[in-house]
Formats: sequence, structure tokens, C-alpha cells
Amino acid sequence: AQKVTQAQTEISVVEKEDVTLDCVYETRDTTYYLFWYKQPPSGELVFLIRRNSFDEQNEISGRYSWNFQKSTSSFNFTITASQVVDSAVYFCALSATDSWGKLQFGAGTQVVVTP
Amino acid sequence: DGGITQSPKYLFRKEGQNVTLSCEQNLNHDAMYWYRQDPGQGLRLIYYSQIVNDFQKGDIAEGYSVSREKKESFPLTVTSAQKNPTAFYLCASSMGDLYSNQPQHFGDGTRLSIL
Repeated sequence: AQKVTQAQTEISVVEKEDVTLDCVYETRDTTYYLFWYKQPPSGELVFLIRRNSFDEQNEISGRYSWNFQKSTSSFNFTITASQVVDSAVYFCALSATDSWGKLQFGAGTQVVVTP
Repeated sequence: DGGITQSPKYLFRKEGQNVTLSCEQNLNHDAMYWYRQDPGQGLRLIYYSQIVNDFQKGDIAEGYSVSREKKESFPLTVTSAQKNPTAFYLCASSMGDLYSNQPQHFGDGTRLSIL
């Protein structure tokens, strides 16, 4: 069985502050994929990143960066210099061999950025 | 524009009534999914389909039914057997089969409430 834990329910920051969202996953499989999605107030989920278990390189995309650490089963997400438009719920999700393509989502972290 | 269209945006169900949520995609994706989202929780998979005329139960299929008669369409029926249907329902699609673990693209969702 696989599980994704996002322990932070809500994080509030002031614009321009950095914010880090934690994601801890559990799986017995050695091959798996991790995802991050953003859900703005409009409701649809927006894909941000996909990472497979064999690629531990950290990634940066503009103000977004991801830190994948297999040793601690974590895939954390940092927003640098946050903006009001970053206010949303962010979900971490896992797909592993025993249930390929079927995403196991964490509970999500609500990020509130105030001006 | 390519994307996923869900309708209606809001839906109300009376006791004992079946209701159908529409999901149409023009992305030419093979796989389609239905998720349920409850407040403060992550998404849970109801049903998924990899090809036309084939679909599989997800984690919470009881009280729901689907069909996949066309590649573009994957309607979800919430039956009277679903005793707690109030939730936000999201439809998604992805390229290729489940094993490719391609990112899922989501619609804007349908909010279902009990009258």
C-alpha cells in the first residue's frame, strides 16, 4: 500500500517570503513517480512536476523548486519570493508499481499569500 | 483550445435520484479518470478507463457508475445508492496508458449537493 502525507494543513506568508511545502511518501516499490499539482480557487488541478524514483536531481522552474530525497522519502516543494497568485491548495501525489497511473494524493496544503 | 470540459458546474440531487456528471475531452487522451474531493482531503479515485468500452473501479466506486462509449467522453452517474454524494467531482485525462504515468489534466469540476 502507498501513502502520501502532507502534514502542513495551511501555511500563511506575506508576499515575497519563501514557503516550503513538505511531502512524505510511503511505498514498498523501488519504481514510482511523484507529482505536484496546484489547485487555485477556481477548482481545477494544474500539473506542476513529475519525478521518477530514479532521478534524484533537484529541479528549479522559475520561482518553483523541488527537493527529492529518497533517503527520507520526501519530495518537498519551495516557492521563492511568493506572490498573491501563488495562493492555492497544493497536492503531492504518488503512483507506484502496484497501482500504476492511479494517483495516491496527499491531503493538500493550503498556501495563503497576503500582500 | 484543447482541454477537459465538465458540466454542470453545480448540481443538486434529490433523495433517491440518480444524477449524471458530464466529462468531455478534446486532447485525444486514451485514459480518463473520475475523482471525488471532500473538504480538507485529497482526491480519491472513483473510476478510471484506459480505452473505449473498458473501465475499472477505483478506491471508492460504490454508489457510482460510468460508461466509456466514446474516447472523448466519460460520464459519471451518482446513483441513489451513494448515501453521501455531497462533494466536488473532478474528471481528468492523460496520454497513453496507465504504465506511462503521464501527467493527468483536470477539468474545472462539478460541485454536487443534496437538496
